[in-house]
This record gives sequence, C-alpha cells and structure tokens, in this order.
Amino acid sequence: TQLLEQSPQFLSIQEGENLTVYCNSSSVFSSLQWYRQEPGEGPVLLVTVVTGGEVKKLKRLTFQFGDARKDSSLHITAAQPGDTGLYLCALKRESDYKLSFGAGTTVTVRA
Amino acid sequence: SAVISQKPSRDICQRGTSLTIQCQVDSQVTMMFWYRQQPGQSLTLIATANQGSEATYESGFVIDKFPISRPNLTFSTLTVSNMSPEDSSIYLCSTQGYSGTSNEQFFGPGTRLTVL
Repeated sequence: TQLLEQSPQFLSIQEGENLTVYCNSSSVFSSLQWYRQEPGEGPVLLVTVVTGGEVKKLKRLTFQFGDARKDSSLHITAAQPGDTGLYLCALKRESDYKLSFGAGTTVTVRA
Repeated sequence: SAVISQKPSRDICQRGTSLTIQCQVDSQVTMMFWYRQQPGQSLTLIATANQGSEATYESGFVIDKFPISRPNLTFSTLTVSNMSPEDSSIYLCSTQGYSGTSNEQFFGPGTRLTVL
C-alpha cells in the first residue's frame, strides 16, 4: 500500500496570511486528489492532479503536482475564516476506486 | 453529483451493544464504501459494499465486527457490533458514480458514534 505523508499536521494563521500544505510519497503516483472536510460534514473533492508539474487553480487555492509525481502541495493565498477545515490528500486506485488518505492537515484561520 | 444521507447523524451507545448505520443515495451508484474516522484522525477504508454479494473488507476489519448490507444500488447499511469505547468514531459512507467514469467520490455527512 502506498503511503502518503502530509505536513504540517496543524496550521493556525491569521486572516489574510498565506499557507501551504504538503503531501509526499516515496513512490510515484498516477494521480492525486485533494479534499476539504468541514466539521460535521464528509470530505468534498477540491481537485485531481494527474500530470507531473501540473498546476491547478481554484480561486485562492493553488494545487501543484511535483515533476516526479511523488509530491503535491496546496497553497492558499490570503486565507479567510471560511478556509478553516481539515485538508486531506488522497490516492485513488483506478482498478477499484478505493481511496487512501493522508493523515490530514487541520487549518484554522483566525479572523 | 450524488446526494448522500446517513442515519443516525450521531448516537451514544453502551458497551456491548450494536448499532446499524444507514446510507441512502439519491441516485443509483456502482460503488459504495464505508470509512471510519477516529477522533482527530484521517479516514480509513473499512470495506466496499457490493450489491447482491458479500462486502469486501480491508485488512484489519472483519465481517463479524462490521457486517454490511447492500440490497440495491442506492442503499447500504453498516453495523458496528459488540461495541467498545475504541469504536467511538465517525463512520462515513461514500459513493462512486454509476457510470464509473466520474473521478469524483461523494461522501455522506457521517455518523458520529460515542461508545461509553
């Protein structure tokens, strides 16, 4: 089973600051997904990155897939309290759609 | 997108009892999964709920402890049997689209279980 390492585990920042969350693996992965989970809810898919070196933007969120396809990052610009939540990276096995999640990063944005 | 509901949303149970969690989807889906999320942790896959046949369990999870039913393409149940405080977790069901071509998996809101 391929393992994902996420860092940091916790992140607490002031509104307006930037933050970056990292997701790494010792093995190459074909694609990687990022989810956000808010309290009392299930995770919601933010993005899927597939191509090495790929960069995707979703408003103030920028997702990057490393050239070697072993790492990915999520960068939030000018964070807002609404960005508070648990951010999870995950690998989806294409043969049976099973997801393996990283440990998650709990982000708190203070007003 | 699929809309998924779970019942109950939360429960507090006594040690040694069992709880059945229901998952209802508003459309037919090919794949349904059950995950566990222990306090402050990430999600761990328990099993794949197969329609018309026995569920497929991940390492560390067994049918006697977590029996699963999936009578049709829109509904599944997970039972947590003979509960202990270590079973206190959020249990989530998720689905993969009916066509199988969608890359998105949808999650229910979860059932928060506390075992005393």
